[in-house]
Amino acid sequence: NAGVTQTPKFQVLKTGQSMTLQCAQDMNHNSMYWYRQDPGMGLRLIYYSASEGTTDKGEVPNGYNVSRLNKREFSLRLESAAPSQTSVYFCASSGGTSGRAGDTQYFGPGTRLTVL
Amino acid sequence: GEDVEQSLFLSVREGDSSVINCTYTDSSSTYLYWYKQEPGAGLQLLTYIFSNMDMKQDQRLTVLLNKKDKHLSLRIADTQTGDSAIYFCAELRGSQGNLIFGKGTKLSVKP
Repeated sequence: NAGVTQTPKFQVLKTGQSMTLQCAQDMNHNSMYWYRQDPGMGLRLIYYSASEGTTDKGEVPNGYNVSRLNKREFSLRLESAAPSQTSVYFCASSGGTSGRAGDTQYFGPGTRLTVL
Repeated sequence: GEDVEQSLFLSVREGDSSVINCTYTDSSSTYLYWYKQEPGAGLQLLTYIFSNMDMKQDQRLTVLLNKKDKHLSLRIADTQTGDSAIYFCAELRGSQGNLIFGKGTKLSVKP
């Protein structure tokens, strides 16, 4: 099993450009998540998907959209990138039922995004 | 407050024990986690503890939970240079099962 994979690993955008970050998991998990990590801020939840076909906002959703394409894939889209979105983006997945050990989240390697 | 709190830095000598502390916020949190992040890498789950436990030991790792004070600690015995990383405490909060992370403690191990 590859676990959680993310593409691309690195990306540089100009202000106003759009792009989609891809995430896939092969663990048959129900829930998937997108976080951003900024220096001194820890990880903050952008969006999550508790199951195929559903998505919900997290702590910092503004400027982002997501698509849960199928059970395996959860993409994050920046429609008009801004320098404030320069960050490291992590995708995670979990078994998905709240309050159980199966909810342990497993993380991908991250995408390092710079917006100039 | 709403934040999960951790000290930002810890420096120890190789072979010593390291203790990383964390204060969380929600007394109803069911699970508490420790993740490790090495430079340029994603987060790796180290261990977790269920809220009805006081202690969990896993090889060199010992997790202590004081539910009354909402205090969690991670002890690494015989710390090695390979343990140098950032360690994140996280609590599982709410019906949606969202993880709330601390800002991370950077552990530096000196030879």
